[in-house]
Amino acid sequence: SFELTQDPAVSVALGQTVRITCQGDSLRISYASWYRQKPGQAPEVVLYGRNNRPSGIPDRFSGSFAGDTASLTITGAQAEDEADYYCHSRDISGLYAFGTGTKVTVL
Amino acid sequence: EGQLVESGGDLVQPGGSLRLSCAASGFTFGTHDMHWVRQAAGERLEWVSAISSAGDTYYADSVKTRFTVSRENGKSALYLQLNSLRADDTGVYYCARRSPATYYDLWGQGTVVTVSS
Repeated sequence: SFELTQDPAVSVALGQTVRITCQGDSLRISYASWYRQKPGQAPEVVLYGRNNRPSGIPDRFSGSFAGDTASLTITGAQAEDEADYYCHSRDISGLYAFGTGTKVTVL
Repeated sequence: EGQLVESGGDLVQPGGSLRLSCAASGFTFGTHDMHWVRQAAGERLEWVSAISSAGDTYYADSVKTRFTVSRENGKSALYLQLNSLRADDTGVYYCARRSPATYYDLWGQGTVVTVSS
């Protein structure tokens, strides 16, 4: 198995910008996807591939990569963005892992 | 777009076994890789297992040798056999569909497994 490390929690003022990072060796060879999970709900993808958003996900969500680190940026955070966020990736042996998770609080 | 419905979760004693099922509908099940993901209460998501459309299987180190994933494409069904269960296997188990663009594009509502004496 392999590890993907995220900051446990971040806070952002309403309408401001927040960046969540995910670090791991697998990210050197595999893009991360990002999932948002609200209490009592199944996760939902918000970003995948190099910087792709599924239909229905607003363009305030964007992604980037540098070396072994993937980032998810929310530009102009809204109250409904408050949730837990997880990165997800695959390693060279075909195994998968989720990141440790980041709790985003919108103030 | 499709639907996934898990079942089979239950209260089981340590060392016991369970078989989880995931019923798929509304899409061509056999063409998709399928995964199991679990989450203990208040904890992070944990990838558990995967089975490709061709039947290749993959497991997290924490469940390898104890869990077995399988599928019946004719029934649009995914299974996870859980053996030698431990307290730390307790949690919500989700099945999830892997899209060709390599992300989870469909999730079930989850089924709860509780391992306790």
